[in-house]
Amino acid sequence: KAGVTQTPRYLIKTRGQQVTLSCSPISGHRSVSWYQQTPGQGLQFLFEYFSETQRNKGNFPGRFSGRQFSNSRSEMNVSTLELGDSALYLCASSLAGALDYGYTFGSGTRLTVV
Amino acid sequence: GDSVTQMEGPVTLSEEAFLTINCTYTATGYPSLFWYVQYPGEGLQLLLKATKADDKGSNKGFEATYRKETTSFHLEKGSVQVSDSAVYFCALSDDKIIFGKGTRLHILP
Repeated sequence: KAGVTQTPRYLIKTRGQQVTLSCSPISGHRSVSWYQQTPGQGLQFLFEYFSETQRNKGNFPGRFSGRQFSNSRSEMNVSTLELGDSALYLCASSLAGALDYGYTFGSGTRLTVV
Repeated sequence: GDSVTQMEGPVTLSEEAFLTINCTYTATGYPSLFWYVQYPGEGLQLLLKATKADDKGSNKGFEATYRKETTSFHLEKGSVQVSDSAVYFCALSDDKIIFGKGTRLHILP
């Protein structure tokens, strides 16, 4: 059974640019959540998508956005990149309403903004 | 809002030592509780979970008991191995999963 796949694994971008990250969940999982991980702030929730609809959103500026496709694959986009956006971005998938069972995480995309 | 507090690391132990990583939570409802582990260069892996008070989650020799009266979910292992070196995260489920800051564990051979 394939796990959660995130692409690319590494990215280097320049301040002011935009970036798109991709996440393919486990087959059958309809919920995809995104987290930002930094040494100072730890894991912070960005948003969750379920059946192509944003179901929940964290406290991030509007520069961070996402979407989910009909096959449950999800993308997140960060526009006008800032140095502070450098982080590991983790995607997690779960069955619908499966908070009792936890998430399955991908290996993450390491974004470096220079 | 709901939150998770776990002991700061790093924690350094010798192989075969007993491990405890403390975790307490604040929640308005009755969340499920989790421990996740992150190995270098990887995402988080679910280690164990408990869905209601007094439940004990266990996996790979690790255990944690959901204590509602003390709002705690401490992680324990009787004899750690070098391969247990990783970062451990305590977490709870709200309308999303909320994580603690993580505890880095380093096991010396």
